Amino acid sequence: GDSVTQMEGPVTLSEEAFLTINCTYTATGYPSLFWYVQYPGEGLQLLLKATKADDKGSNKGFEATYRKETTSFHLEKGSVQVSDSAVYFCALKGDGSGGSNYKLTFGKGTLLTVNP
Amino acid sequence: DAGVIQSPRHEVTEMGQEVTLRCKPISGHNSLFWYRQTMMRGLELLIYFNNNVPIDDSGMPEDRFSAKMPNASFSTLKIQPSEPRDSAVYFCASSLNLGLNTEAFFGQGTRLTVV
Repeated sequence: GDSVTQMEGPVTLSEEAFLTINCTYTATGYPSLFWYVQYPGEGLQLLLKATKADDKGSNKGFEATYRKETTSFHLEKGSVQVSDSAVYFCALKGDGSGGSNYKLTFGKGTLLTVNP
Repeated sequence: DAGVIQSPRHEVTEMGQEVTLRCKPISGHNSLFWYRQTMMRGLELLIYFNNNVPIDDSGMPEDRFSAKMPNASFSTLKIQPSEPRDSAVYFCASSLNLGLNTEAFFGQGTRLTVV
């Protein structure tokens, strides 16, 4: 079945540092890929997405590129801020070829703490 | 729109009691999901409704769990009887099912503690 593996952290950075959170996936066909962010005490919010190979999703300075050859969707940001402290989830939605085309399969999440 | 609304935000109950979690999806959305989040297992899909009909309940842990969606604007997740291992954050999410890249919108969750 579909699965997502992401670095579990926690990750602690200083403000303005470069961020990478690795994410790889296993799925048949051509899934869509997502990064969600969860701030303390809140639900998950979509951060960015990509629906086909080589697509780059971007939002709020975060970027991730859909790499089918390496089955990866790593999240990056050039200069993190204290307000970026949150839990980040990588997720995929299958295209139906392996079964579901509605279910979001999540990684375990990565806790990011940014210190001033 | 106010987004996906869940109630209560926090629930503390004693083992053996019935617990009902509620969800109001975003108006116009035709898909609704219940997820459970725990430290050990992360986010797990419990059940998926499309147009108020349960399509996939394979993630429902056991018969103690049941979910209903009587209309397009309301869903419940019931646990009866509750057990300490049910302690988790339960999220409801909704989406407009238009295809592969459709975004799911999450509520703020209900933190359930069973003592």
